[in-house]
Amino acid sequence: AQSVTQLGSHVSVSEGALVLLRCNYSSSVPPYLFWYVQYPNQGLQLLLKYTSAATLVKGINGFEAEFKKSETSFHLTKPSAHMSDAAEYFCAVSGGYNFNKFYFGSGTKLNVKP
Amino acid sequence: DSGVTQTPKHLITATGQRVTLRCSPRSGDLSVYWYQQSLDQGLQFLIHYYNGEERAKGNILERFSAQQFPDLHSELNLSSLELGDSALYFCASSVGTGSNNEQFFGPGTRLTVL
Repeated sequence: AQSVTQLGSHVSVSEGALVLLRCNYSSSVPPYLFWYVQYPNQGLQLLLKYTSAATLVKGINGFEAEFKKSETSFHLTKPSAHMSDAAEYFCAVSGGYNFNKFYFGSGTKLNVKP
Repeated sequence: DSGVTQTPKHLITATGQRVTLRCSPRSGDLSVYWYQQSLDQGLQFLIHYYNGEERAKGNILERFSAQQFPDLHSELNLSSLELGDSALYFCASSVGTGSNNEQFFGPGTRLTVL
């Protein structure tokens, strides 16, 4: 079975500081991994995805994530936080035996302080 | 705007009732996914349809059912509603059926069961 764990339901950073949102996955086969962002009262929007090409994936809005198989992690980072980054971020996994199923983490709310 | 539309935006109903949520995928997308987002359960995958056929089932209750019509729009039917069914219901669409396909999310339908 596949699952996703996001460490930290709330993360607070200062504007201009590094953003690090953690995601660990569990999968018996190479997975596809995604990061989505949800702004208040909106649907989810894809930030980036890993599909077994380059392990460092660059996404929109300056975000990137690195797939580390040895650590079963797919952490999301951004060098410098902006006020507009305040939102909830979801990590998701799919693929393998549960080919058409997607499993989302519990989400991490990012707060950016001025 | 993701191109995925959902109606209605808000729905308030009573316990024991039945409601239908509607989703129109992006033009050209053949896959439709339904998700439930609640405070206690997070974002849960319910069901996936591809070109009219059910492809995968997640944590969907027996009181819930879905279908995808020839014009590719989809409906999620929720019956014998309980207080715990109050949640945001999202529809997402993608081009194909592969796990690596990006999903585009609609704005959601907020269901309140009183």
